[in-house]
Amino acid sequence: GESVGLHLPTLSVQEGDNSIINCAYSNSASDYFIWYKQESGKGPQFIIDIRSNMDKRQGQRVTVLLNKTVKHLSLQIAATQPGDSAVYFCAENLDSYTGNQFYFGTGTSLTVIP
Amino acid sequence: AAGVIQSPRHLIKEKRETATLKCYPIPRHDTVYWYQQGPGQDPQFLISFYEKMQSDKGSIPDRFSAQQFSDYHSELNMSSLELGDSALYFCASSEGVGKLFFGSGTQLSVL
Repeated sequence: GESVGLHLPTLSVQEGDNSIINCAYSNSASDYFIWYKQESGKGPQFIIDIRSNMDKRQGQRVTVLLNKTVKHLSLQIAATQPGDSAVYFCAENLDSYTGNQFYFGTGTSLTVIP
Repeated sequence: AAGVIQSPRHLIKEKRETATLKCYPIPRHDTVYWYQQGPGQDPQFLISFYEKMQSDKGSIPDRFSAQQFSDYHSELNMSSLELGDSALYFCASSEGVGKLFFGSGTQLSVL
């Protein structure tokens, strides 16, 4: 499979601060990306997605930025809350028009300090 | 809203035994995926089915097989279990090509 990696395995932030989680992907042909949040003992939970024809997408308190030039993806969480503590994964789809096989990168563990 | 349902939640088996994991996708979702996640690891794609036909194959061992039935539920069959098969097994579903929704997983422990 293709490599999708995260720059930092752990991240600690103060409650109320903004968090930024980064992800590097290796395949320039990837055209669809999803950020997932996984709490201990639970399945990955969809946060936000973005297609390669966009460079920014916003959700509720979250923003995903896509830089295709350097094959970099980031997830920004505004006003981080204790409930945001979890492992965050980015996943890429190599060709969403012909298949739906997502490759996950190494997760980043986010800890929110009250 | 209905979610992806997996059973059992926990499963304990011994080496060389067999195991069957079940997955019930979200209603109207036509695609099912199986992922394996070891402790502290990222989910690894095993196999997927679209409209009851295998659509993509990942790192699924030959000892494992899966199928999707007419009601769209799927089963992952695992034979000759090894200690290294101990992991969380997730099922996900989607409506065509799109975002995946995951179940809560089956924790398999091979002793």
